[in-house]
Amino acid sequence: KNEVEQSPQNLTAQEGEFITINCSYSVGISALHWLQQHPGGGIVSLFMLSSGKKKHGRLIATINIQEKHSSLHITASHPRDSAVYICPYPYGGSQGNLIFGKGTKLSVKP
Amino acid sequence: DVKVTQSSRYLVKRTGEKVFLECVQDMDHENMFWYRQDPGLGLRLIYFSYDVKMKEKGDIPEGYSVSREKKERFSLILESASTNQTSMYLCASRPSWAGEAFFGQGTRLTVV
Repeated sequence: KNEVEQSPQNLTAQEGEFITINCSYSVGISALHWLQQHPGGGIVSLFMLSSGKKKHGRLIATINIQEKHSSLHITASHPRDSAVYICPYPYGGSQGNLIFGKGTKLSVKP
Repeated sequence: DVKVTQSSRYLVKRTGEKVFLECVQDMDHENMFWYRQDPGLGLRLIYFSYDVKMKEKGDIPEGYSVSREKKERFSLILESASTNQTSMYLCASRPSWAGEAFFGQGTRLTVV
C-alpha cells in the first residue's frame, strides 16, 4: 500500500524554468516534510509544513490538508538544484518513522 | 543551527569485521533512526530508538544491532560485516513522532 504518490519520478528542466513536484496522500496527515538529497550526499530538510505555504529562497512548498496534496515549487531553477526531492509519509509508526518512496530525480541543464 | 553528525563519511571494512557507525545529535531529540539507502530504492528503516536504552526493529534489522546509552548518541553495529551490507547509511533524529526530522550527512560503507 502506497501512502504517498509523488510525481513526476524524473524531471529534466532547463536553467531558469519553473519546476513543480507533487505529492498526494492516500490517508490523512497533519504535516509533512520536503527533503532534498544531492548525488552521493546526505539528506537536507527543506520544509516541514502543516498548512498554507512556506518559502525559502527560490523554494516554495504548499500543502492542502483537506485535499491530501502538497507541492514543491522551484523558481528560476539552477543546475545546483539538481537532486532527488522526497516527500516521505510522516507517520510510519508510533515513534514517527518516515516512510520513503524513491522521490523525484530533478536534473537542471545549463 | 541544529545538527546530526555521523562519525564517518566513507568507510571500508573487511568481511567478518565488527563495524560501528556512530550518530550524534545536539537537539535533545527523543527519537533517532538508522536507515540504509541502496540504488533504485528509497530509504529503508533498520532500527529506531525512542528513548535512552529503548530500541525497536525497523523493516530490515537482520545483521544489525543498535545501542543508545546516551540520549544524544545512537550507534549502529554490524556484528559481522558482509558484502551485502555495502550501502549508504543515514541517521536521523526527530523531537517527537510528529516533529521535524533532521538527517546526518550519511556514511558510505563498503565491505570487501
